[in-house]
Amino acid sequence: EIVLTQSPGTLSLSPGERASLSCRASRSISSNYIAWYQQKPGQSPRLLFYGASSRATGIPDRFRGTGSGTDYTLTISRLEPEDFAVYYCQQYVGSFWTFGQGTKVEIK
Amino acid sequence: EVQLEQSGAEVKKPGESLRISCEVSGYRFTDYWIAWVRQMPGKGLEWIGNIYPGDSDITYSPSFEGQVTISADEIISVAYLHWGSLKASDSAIYYCARRGMGVTQGLDFWGQGTLVTVSS
Repeated sequence: EIVLTQSPGTLSLSPGERASLSCRASRSISSNYIAWYQQKPGQSPRLLFYGASSRATGIPDRFRGTGSGTDYTLTISRLEPEDFAVYYCQQYVGSFWTFGQGTKVEIK
Repeated sequence: EVQLEQSGAEVKKPGESLRISCEVSGYRFTDYWIAWVRQMPGKGLEWIGNIYPGDSDITYSPSFEGQVTISADEIISVAYLHWGSLKASDSAIYYCARRGMGVTQGLDFWGQGTLVTVSS
């Protein structure tokens, strides 16, 4: 099983600041099979990126997904009030998928 | 418009059985994988398993194999998640989600979630 470790657990930032979220895989995987999701309280998750860097429909360009091998990053260039949420990475290599444990981006 | 409509909240006792559903519309049910995802109270997302309704190919997470059963009815475009004997630790929100077309796609549409509460 591929384990995804996200860091930090919580990121305390102010609107307008830059956020950088890490997702590390327990072994090297193709970037084709990494996705990022945003979840706000009381809502279903929302797809942000697939294939590590392909932005899903309607996702603003202040969001950026990068990475390869074992290390993947979600960057939010300037935090807007609606960006404070929990973010999850996911791998979907082969038949067995896993999620990271999540990073909460909270208002400082 | 793609929609995944999940069945309503359930309150059950330990040992009871349960089946929750995910009715899809707006696309051809048999062409896309459906995933089930668990979220325990205050916790993260856990992948339970997937089904491809076109041929009923099913994959389970090792953590959930034998604990739940995933199925689908292509005639009415509904996916199901079934428990034969619930435990208190099954209390969670369960989401269904569609995997986009193509092996590199993520889960692009999600249901609203079904809250399952198991308590004596």
